[in-house]
Amino acid sequence: GAVVSQHPSRVICKSGTSVKIECRSLDFQATTMFWYRQFPKQSLMLMATSNEGSKATYEQGVEKDKFLINHASLTLSTLTVTSAHPEDSSFYICSAQNGTDPAGYTFGSGTRLTVV
Amino acid sequence: AQSVTQLGSHVSVSEGALVLLRCNYSSSVPPYLFWYVQYPNQGLQLLLKYTTGATLVKGINGFEAEFKKSETSFHLTKPSAHMSDAAEYFCAVSDSGNTPLVFGKGTRLSVIA
Repeated sequence: GAVVSQHPSRVICKSGTSVKIECRSLDFQATTMFWYRQFPKQSLMLMATSNEGSKATYEQGVEKDKFLINHASLTLSTLTVTSAHPEDSSFYICSAQNGTDPAGYTFGSGTRLTVV
Repeated sequence: AQSVTQLGSHVSVSEGALVLLRCNYSSSVPPYLFWYVQYPNQGLQLLLKYTTGATLVKGINGFEAEFKKSETSFHLTKPSAHMSDAAEYFCAVSDSGNTPLVFGKGTRLSVIA
């Protein structure tokens, strides 16, 4: 089946530094990638949608200059949290859309970001 | 715009008992409906999905769900709970199959020995 590899699984960084999270679709082409954020004991909140080769579309309230999304190829999308602060600590999950599979959403395993 | 309501943030059942997790949705178009399970600090695993066709959908691990348009519901059931079913369950909806999923708030399932 479709697999999305997300790395790192957990990361701790200092305030003010940047962190990059990668999501790779291993056996299919991800035409669209969705990035979600999940706070403890809460649901997933959509941050942005990215299509290969295009600029990402951010949800209202999500700072595009802080959460940089790159989707340069059909198998790789990255989320960079710039100038991280403790309030950015969260669980980040990507979801890749397989263009050939109707309603085919495959989720990465998530990244636990802790900013100290 | 779509929305999902999951009734009950926490459901507790005995091992071997019926599992029923409720999900109601709103959508202006025929929806695509999903159930996912999440274990602590892990991503989401698809249990089952409804796109078109048969309204009773069978998924992995003995779970199934029935799409009831008249009730705008997509409740998840399993005849006999196992300890390994203890997890967080999310119902989600999409209006076209390629737009972002909209998630419910989740239901935490506890299984008591």
